[in-house]
Amino acid sequence: LAKTTQPISMDSYEGQEVNITCSHNNIATNDYITWYQQFPSQGPRFIIQGYKTKVTNEVASLFIPADRKSSTLSLPRVSLSDTAVYYCLVTRTSGAGSYQLTFGKGTKLSVIP
Amino acid sequence: NAGVTQTPKFRVLKTGQSMTLLCAQDMNHEYMYWYRQDPGMGLRLIHYSVGEGTTAKGEVPDGYNVSRLKKQNFLLGLESAAPSQTSVYFCASSYHPDTFSDTQYFGPGTRLTVL
Repeated sequence: LAKTTQPISMDSYEGQEVNITCSHNNIATNDYITWYQQFPSQGPRFIIQGYKTKVTNEVASLFIPADRKSSTLSLPRVSLSDTAVYYCLVTRTSGAGSYQLTFGKGTKLSVIP
Repeated sequence: NAGVTQTPKFRVLKTGQSMTLLCAQDMNHEYMYWYRQDPGMGLRLIHYSVGEGTTAKGEVPDGYNVSRLKKQNFLLGLESAAPSQTSVYFCASSYHPDTFSDTQYFGPGTRLTVL
């Protein structure tokens, strides 16, 4: 399964756009990409999911280039409440309920006033 | 809806003791998962289940057993706890057949310390 690599940490000022990139060089054709957010002492929370090109929802955008070897989570105009750890997840389903998952080690985003 | 709940929230064990962690979900999800999270390691999948009565191994299954006797519950057992199993354990569920969504919903976690 694709190994994922993310920056360990990032800092950003309030109101700025933040882009976090995850590398997954060995991604396979049927693998898809999901991003989660985690606050201290809480379980991760779903942000966005995609397979290719661009996906946008009310909180974020996900950009996936044609070769799919990386993906970029984009958070528009971050606020202090966006300070959290962000995880990239690659999932592979192989039929008959077979699952393989690889979570990245997470990127700690610190938003500065 | 309570979502995903985990019992207990904290536990301290001595080496060699056994225990069971309980995960319950009220969203009629088919799939359930157990993860462990260690500092700097992200989340690693221990076992998962794609339906009542079925279980499968994840990335780090050794030293753990699981059971899914009811659709809403997923139990994680440690038969003989070791200090290396000190971690935070998260349960998650996903996939509602009607919505075809596999977004994972996580519980609040169980902090386990093995002395």
